[in-house]
Amino acid sequence: AQSVTQPDIHITVSEGASLELRCNYSYGATPYLFWYVQSPGQGLQLLLKYFSGDTLVQGIKGFEAEFKRSQSSFNLRKPSVHWSDAAEYFCAVGVRTGANNLFFGTGTRLTVIP
Amino acid sequence: DSGVTQTPKHLITATGQRVTLRCSPRSGDLSVYWYQQSLDQGLQFLIQYYNGEERAKGNILERFSAQQFPDLHSELNLSSLELGDSALYFCASSVDRGRAETQYFGPGTRLLVL
Repeated sequence: AQSVTQPDIHITVSEGASLELRCNYSYGATPYLFWYVQSPGQGLQLLLKYFSGDTLVQGIKGFEAEFKRSQSSFNLRKPSVHWSDAAEYFCAVGVRTGANNLFFGTGTRLTVIP
Repeated sequence: DSGVTQTPKHLITATGQRVTLRCSPRSGDLSVYWYQQSLDQGLQFLIQYYNGEERAKGNILERFSAQQFPDLHSELNLSSLELGDSALYFCASSVDRGRAETQYFGPGTRLLVL
């Protein structure tokens, strides 16, 4: 069965510092991979996605993620964090079957220190 | 703004009651997905409808049901409500051409059962 693990429940970084949020998945084939962000009281906004091709994908707000098949990982990175990046980040897996529903990780809450 | 609308934004009700949550997908999207976000279960897929037909079921309780209407809007019906049903309910939509596609999420309906 497919699953997603986000090992870091809460991360605190200083504004301007680099960021890496970890995501590992379990799935028998190459999944579709997504990162969503949820600001307090808001819905989920798509940051970026990987379907196939180039394993380094660029997203909105200066985020990027790299798919590493050998490590079953899809880590999210940003070179310089802004205070407005404080939010909860969810990694999700979509499977290549008839159902297109997503399986989400438990999320990582990002706090940004001025 | 994702283009997915959900009403109401907030709902407060009592145990044993029944409520209906409404979702309008993005223009042109044929698939609607319902997800539940709770503190103990995280983000879980409930059910998917495609062009009026049920496509996939997740961890949806028998007390919950959904439907998608000819104009493609969807309703999630929650009955015999329990305290544990308090959660944020998201609707998402996608075009769903039979391959991986991005799901766009609405702002959610926050349900509080007292």
